[in-house]
Amino acid sequence: GENVEQHPSTLSVQEGDSAVIKCTYSDSASNYFPWYKQELGKRPQLIIDIRSNVGEKKDQRIAVTLNKTAKHFSLHITETQPEDSAVYFCAASHNNDMRFGAGTRLTVKP
Amino acid sequence: GAGVSQSPSNKVTEKGKDVELRCDPISGHTALYWYRQSLGQGLEFLIYFQGNSAPDKSGLPSDRFSAERTGGSVSTLTIQRTQQEDSAVYLCASSADNIQYFGAGTRLSVL
Repeated sequence: GENVEQHPSTLSVQEGDSAVIKCTYSDSASNYFPWYKQELGKRPQLIIDIRSNVGEKKDQRIAVTLNKTAKHFSLHITETQPEDSAVYFCAASHNNDMRFGAGTRLTVKP
Repeated sequence: GAGVSQSPSNKVTEKGKDVELRCDPISGHTALYWYRQSLGQGLEFLIYFQGNSAPDKSGLPSDRFSAERTGGSVSTLTIQRTQQEDSAVYLCASSADNIQYFGAGTRLSVL
């Protein structure tokens, strides 16, 4: 089955700096890669996703890149703000069978 | 409904009792997932239902845990003879076209 690894487990940045979270996956059949943000005490919310037919996707300050050959994908947050502080989960999916990474706790210091 | 609904939102039980947690997925979503999340931890996969296929139960931690999905819609996660280590938030998600939508979770406390 699919195995998703996520790094780092914790990340602390200064407000305004960029943050990068990386994930690797094992199943070459995976073709959908979402990122979820979970604020304290709340449910995970989808923030951005990418499908295997594209290499990069951007939405304002958030971007995701995908390297299918190397089986890794990354989340990039630019101009970080304190409200970006949360736990971020990556996932890899094929035919609705999704597996999550262990999560990254991002802290943005004002 | 507009989203994934879980009930109860909070459940306090005594060690050794059985509990049932309910998930109402988004109408039309064929895939349904249960996860467990301990305080400050990641999403632990428990079980996955996809249409009429046999569920993927590979994440269930012990035979005290079971889940059903009746009529391809509502799902119930049952934990028998609860233990203190079962205390966690149990999250349900339903999916269409791979995108998962999460419920607010059930916070289970086993005393």
